[in-house]
Amino acid sequence: QVQLVESGGGVVQPGRSLRLSCAASGFTFSNYGMHWVRQAPDKGLEWVADIWYDGNNKHYPDSVKGRFIISRDNSKNTLYLQMNSLRAEDTAVYYCARDRGTGYFDLWGRGTLVTVSS
Amino acid sequence: DIQLTQSPSTLSASVGDRVTITCRASQSISSWLAWYQQKPGKAPKLLIYKASTLETGVPSRFSGSGSGTEFTLTISSLQPDDFANYHCQQYNSYSPGYSFGQGTKLEIK
Repeated sequence: QVQLVESGGGVVQPGRSLRLSCAASGFTFSNYGMHWVRQAPDKGLEWVADIWYDGNNKHYPDSVKGRFIISRDNSKNTLYLQMNSLRAEDTAVYYCARDRGTGYFDLWGRGTLVTVSS
Repeated sequence: DIQLTQSPSTLSASVGDRVTITCRASQSISSWLAWYQQKPGKAPKLLIYKASTLETGVPSRFSGSGSGTEFTLTISSLQPDDFANYHCQQYNSYSPGYSFGQGTKLEIK
C-alpha cells in the first residue's frame, strides 16, 4: 500500500552524526518532492528540509542549514537525512512527508525518534 | 520568515459542539494554508489545503476558510474521534520555506 517508513533514529551524543532513511512504497516516488518535518517532545511541528522530485533543489531553515543534508535515491525509492553536529535541541521525532505538488503534505510516515544526549 | 500564530492553544469542548480554531499569518499567504489533525503518538493527517479544500475522505463536518493573513478551521459538530491536536501550515510559493502554527489541543470538556 501507499506508505512511508522512516528508520535510523536512536540515541546519539552531541556533536555526532546520524543518518535517517525513509522508504517509500505504493506510489511513483520519483514524481514527488519530499520533506523532513520534526516534532520535539510536546512541541509543534517544524519543517526541516525539502528536496525536489529529481533531487536538483534542496532547501533548509536556518536552524539546520549547514548541518543537515537531504538527499534521495529514486532508484531505491528512498529519502535520506544526514544530520551532522547534532545538538540537544535536535531531539525530536522526525517524519518524512510527501509533497502533493504545491507545498502541503498529503502522506506522512510514522516517524523515527532521535535523542541527542550525552 | 512567515510566522503562524494559532489560537487558542487549548480548546475544551463537548461532543456535538461547533468549534473554531484560528490561524494568523505574519504576512499575506493568499490561500496557501493547510490544516492537519494529529493524535498522540501518530503522524499528522491532512484535513484541508488551499485554505478551504477538503482532502478526500475527510468528513464534511470539517471546513476551512480565510485568505491573506487570517484563517479558520471549523468543526461543525464535534465527534469523539475529533479530540486531537490541530496544526496549520503555510506554503507560500513566493517565500522560501514552510512553517507551522504552534498547534491547538482540542480536549474533552
